[in-house]
Amino acid sequence: KAGVTQTPRYLIKTRGQQVTLSCSPISGHRSVSWYQQTPGQGLQFLFEYFSETQRNKGNFPGRFSGRQFSNSRSEMNVSTLELGDSALYLCASSLQGAANEKLFFGSGTQLSVL
Amino acid sequence: DQQVKQNSPSLSVQEGRISILNCDYTNSMFDYFLWYKKYPAEGPTFLISISSIKDKNEDGRFTVFLNKSAKHLSLHIVPSQPGDSAVYFCAASRYNFNKFYFGSGTKLNVKP
Repeated sequence: KAGVTQTPRYLIKTRGQQVTLSCSPISGHRSVSWYQQTPGQGLQFLFEYFSETQRNKGNFPGRFSGRQFSNSRSEMNVSTLELGDSALYLCASSLQGAANEKLFFGSGTQLSVL
Repeated sequence: DQQVKQNSPSLSVQEGRISILNCDYTNSMFDYFLWYKKYPAEGPTFLISISSIKDKNEDGRFTVFLNKSAKHLSLHIVPSQPGDSAVYFCAASRYNFNKFYFGSGTKLNVKP
């Protein structure tokens, strides 16, 4: 069974630009979550999707958005990039997104904003 | 709001000895706790979990202890091996809430 796939692995953008990150979950997993990892801050929850619906959202500005497609693949978009958006963005999938399910993470997309 | 905290950014242990990683939380509504391990350039991988109805869960060399009154959990690795060198994150969740709160991580270095 293939794991969670995130593309691209690395991205370099400049301030003001926008970016789209992609995540393909494990086959059969219907829940996809996104996390931002920065040094010293751990993983901060961005949002969670299940069956194309956003079920939960973290404390991030509206510049951060996402969506999920009918095949459970998910995209995350960040508009008007700021220097502080430089981080590792991790996608995780699980079967139902239940609180007692373990998450399976992708290797992440390292975003650098210059 | 940092509801899950790992106050030790790093820990160094000799091979064969015990590693103890600590985690504190503030939300008494959390009812499920997990530990993840992360190697550089890889995503976190699940290690072990514990439900709030238990105070201990064991899986091979890894044991997680939960002290609900102190809102504290710890991960014990015995014996520690050089391959255990990684960043360890604790995470917590609430029933019916589809989000996990992660700590900032503890970098474990196991010296041969």
